[in-house]
Amino acid sequence: GAGVSQSPSNKVTEKGKDVELRCDPISGHTALYWYRQSLGQGLEFLIYFQGNSAPDKSGLPSDRFSAERTGGSVSTLTIQRTQQEDSAVYLCASSIGLAKTDTQYFGPGTRLTVL
Amino acid sequence: KNQVEQSPQSLIILEGKNCTLQCNYTVSPFSNLRWYKQDTGRGPVSLTIMTFSENTKSNGRYTATLDADTKQSSLHITASQLSDSASYICVVSVLTGANNLFFGTGTRLTVIP
Repeated sequence: GAGVSQSPSNKVTEKGKDVELRCDPISGHTALYWYRQSLGQGLEFLIYFQGNSAPDKSGLPSDRFSAERTGGSVSTLTIQRTQQEDSAVYLCASSIGLAKTDTQYFGPGTRLTVL
Repeated sequence: KNQVEQSPQSLIILEGKNCTLQCNYTVSPFSNLRWYKQDTGRGPVSLTIMTFSENTKSNGRYTATLDADTKQSSLHITASQLSDSASYICVVSVLTGANNLFFGTGTRLTVIP
């Protein structure tokens, strides 16, 4: 069956530009997460969505970062006025629910490079 | 501060050999611990999950152990294969809070023929 997909797989942008990263979760999964993975660092939580509830934005590093999840499915992570320190792999994951033992299934990630 | 530390950072072994990866955590209150395998250019994939009461769990050639008293876990890989080359990430979940996953920085395993 189809897993979590992300697009684009790679994105190179100039400092100051806005970028949009897309995530298609597994069908039927109510929870969706965004993480950032910088070189040599562990995954950093950014934001999560659960059903129609208000998203938990506690991990967003600045107000340049925002995310939407339309219709409880596809999600878009937007980074405005990109900075070089935003360069990282952005991973999306979905899970069937928010139970502690629900497995998060990860997409392949989007590698963002800010020049 | 909740932390998950893994060792070694990287490891190179010969095909067919065994190896053990370590994970120490200070996360509290503990819910469960997972080991993920992340191939280059791919997202992490869950290998095992262990709750507080579980000491060991196997998934094929992968065996994870958990000592909740000392807050240590290990992942043992038996008869390694070239396809085992990947990063192995220890992830600890806490009982409280929405941001309830804490990730280690991973161990980069390279299996050579």
